Amino acid sequence: DQQVKQNSPSLSVQEGRISILNCDYTNSMFDYFLWYKKYPAEGPTFLISISSIKDKNEDGRFTVFLNKSAKHLSLHIVPSQPGDSAVYFCAAKGSETYKYIFGTGTRLKVLA
Amino acid sequence: KAGVTQTPRYLIKTRGQQVTLSCSPISGHRSVSWYQQTPGQGLQFLFEYFSETQRNKGNFPGRFSGRQFSNSRSEMNVSTLELGDSALYLCASSLANNEQFFGPGTRLTVL
Repeated sequence: DQQVKQNSPSLSVQEGRISILNCDYTNSMFDYFLWYKKYPAEGPTFLISISSIKDKNEDGRFTVFLNKSAKHLSLHIVPSQPGDSAVYFCAAKGSETYKYIFGTGTRLKVLA
Repeated sequence: KAGVTQTPRYLIKTRGQQVTLSCSPISGHRSVSWYQQTPGQGLQFLFEYFSETQRNKGNFPGRFSGRQFSNSRSEMNVSTLELGDSALYLCASSLANNEQFFGPGTRLTVL
């Protein structure tokens, strides 16, 4: 049972435009969400996180939105740059656990 | 501050063998988690250790085991290797119960 789902395996965006990556979850006990970026042959790199007490968190070009009622979060990258081309994973955990559940990833390609 | 290091980076084994992978967390980080990444499956949680104690375990068979030492370094062991164990094994450390920092991974190929 995939508790964290990234339904788009890939996404292509023009440089300078907005990239929107989506993530859905099923477990209402999740209260902390993260986004990671992964380049080939490297481990995932932490990008941004959000607690369930918030609905938005911003860090530079990256903004994460959380819709608890829909059990949905999204990562917005504005403006998109070619260096953003990577695989993006969302992850979630509950407050009572130390276990992170990851989605299957979305491969973003930013076209110059 | 040095990042998370994993050794070896690449490993080739044959079915039935066993393997031990090593992870050194960021200095001061006491939590170490292990993940298996295979194409199309994302990162699957294996287990998490804190102060030498396993606090969480994922849904993997008993052939997968781990341990953590007093200096927070961690090892994971896979016995009786199967072809399906070929994957990238990632280790992550964290200071507390928050964002994790990943190592580069160990690419295991089972022939």
